[in-house]
Amino acid sequence: EAGVAQSPRYKIIEKRQSVAFWCNPISGHATLYWYQQILGQGPKLLIQFQNNGVVDDSQLPKDRFSAERLKGVDSTLKIQPAKLEDSAVYLCASSFRRKGLDRDPYNEQFFGPGTRLTVL
Amino acid sequence: GEDVEQSLFLSVREGDSSVINCTYTDSSSTYLYWYKQEPGAGLQLLTYIFSNMDMKQDQRLTVLLNKKDKHLSLRIADTQTGDSAIYFCAESLGSSNTGKLIFGQGTTLQVKP
Repeated sequence: EAGVAQSPRYKIIEKRQSVAFWCNPISGHATLYWYQQILGQGPKLLIQFQNNGVVDDSQLPKDRFSAERLKGVDSTLKIQPAKLEDSAVYLCASSFRRKGLDRDPYNEQFFGPGTRLTVL
Repeated sequence: GEDVEQSLFLSVREGDSSVINCTYTDSSSTYLYWYKQEPGAGLQLLTYIFSNMDMKQDQRLTVLLNKKDKHLSLRIADTQTGDSAIYFCAESLGSSNTGKLIFGQGTTLQVKP
């Protein structure tokens, strides 16, 4: 099956400019995540969608970041205006619930290759 | 708050075993995961363990979980140069398992020929 697709792979912009990232999850995956991974750190969840509704956006800097999930499939993440500290890799992931041990739901997330953003 | 800690770097010789350690804080975590990230690539799930297990073995990978100490380890037997990557430990937050993962900062594994 095709994996999670992201574009662009690389983007360089100047501070105060705007940028948008696109993600196409694995077909049939209801849950979609956007993570920010700063160099030398682990990914940090920005926003989680279940179908086209937001489940968790507690870590999203809402004054500059926005995200939407069109018709519960593709998603875009926008930064406007960008700051130097937004330089990072933005990872998209998708998942579906499946049975794990002891009948508890288990949630494997499949990650895309990421978009590397450099803000100058 | 939630926090996952890992050592930053590990260097081993090809053929040796590698052990990567992780500590976490959320005692209600249902699942704990190990992900691998190769240069320029996204994260790939290696293995996971359910919180009521002490150990899980999957081919060359052995996961040990000490729930009392909130300590998780990943052992890679017969480490190969292709195992060189960054390894992330992650906990699923809360017993409801909504899917939110908290990642450690990653351990860079260097395998010398």
